[in-house]
Amino acid sequence: AQSVTQPDIHITVSEGASLELRCNYSYGATPYLFWYVQSPGQGLQLLLKYFSGDTLVQGIKGFEAEFKRSQSSFNLRKPSVHWSDAAEYFCAVGEGNKLVFGAGTILRVKS
Amino acid sequence: NAGVTQTPKFRILKIGQSMTLQCAQDMNHNYMYWYRQDPGMGLKLIYYSVGAGITDKGEVPNGYNVSRSTTEDFPLRLELAAPSQTSVYFCASSKKTSGVVNEQFFGPGTRLTVL
Repeated sequence: AQSVTQPDIHITVSEGASLELRCNYSYGATPYLFWYVQSPGQGLQLLLKYFSGDTLVQGIKGFEAEFKRSQSSFNLRKPSVHWSDAAEYFCAVGEGNKLVFGAGTILRVKS
Repeated sequence: NAGVTQTPKFRILKIGQSMTLQCAQDMNHNYMYWYRQDPGMGLKLIYYSVGAGITDKGEVPNGYNVSRSTTEDFPLRLELAAPSQTSVYFCASSKKTSGVVNEQFFGPGTRLTVL
């Protein structure tokens, strides 16, 4: 079975600083990878996805992620964080008909 | 286009009571899912369905039941509520095409407390 690890439970960054959220997966073949964001009290919203092709994918809200097969990683990045980015972020990998989610990383933004 | 809707938004149950969490989608998606979310645990799949009349267990199905009589609706039933079922429940849907696992669209969630 696939698994997803998000090593950081909480991350705090200053507004305007860059951000990188880590995600590692276990999967033998080329994975389908996703990043979702959850604002407090809300459902999950897709930020971006990787299926194949260019390993650097662009998403909504200025986010991007890079697939690195050699490191089994799919880290999420943003060059300049805004206070509205404070939320919980989930990495997920496709497994058959389903998605397997990581435990999430809570992002706090300090002004 | 409402997307995925869930009712109720909040509910408090007593131990042993039963209830049904409603989920509906208007995107003609064939796949639907129920998750529970507990703090620090991410999302755990309870049940899923690949089409009307077809359901299957996920990672944590005990204490729950589902049915899928139409493409649009996928209700989740709790028969004998227990405190361990206190959680936030999310319904999601997706449309699988050409063997690709597509993105899932999520509802706003139902916060359930069992006392």
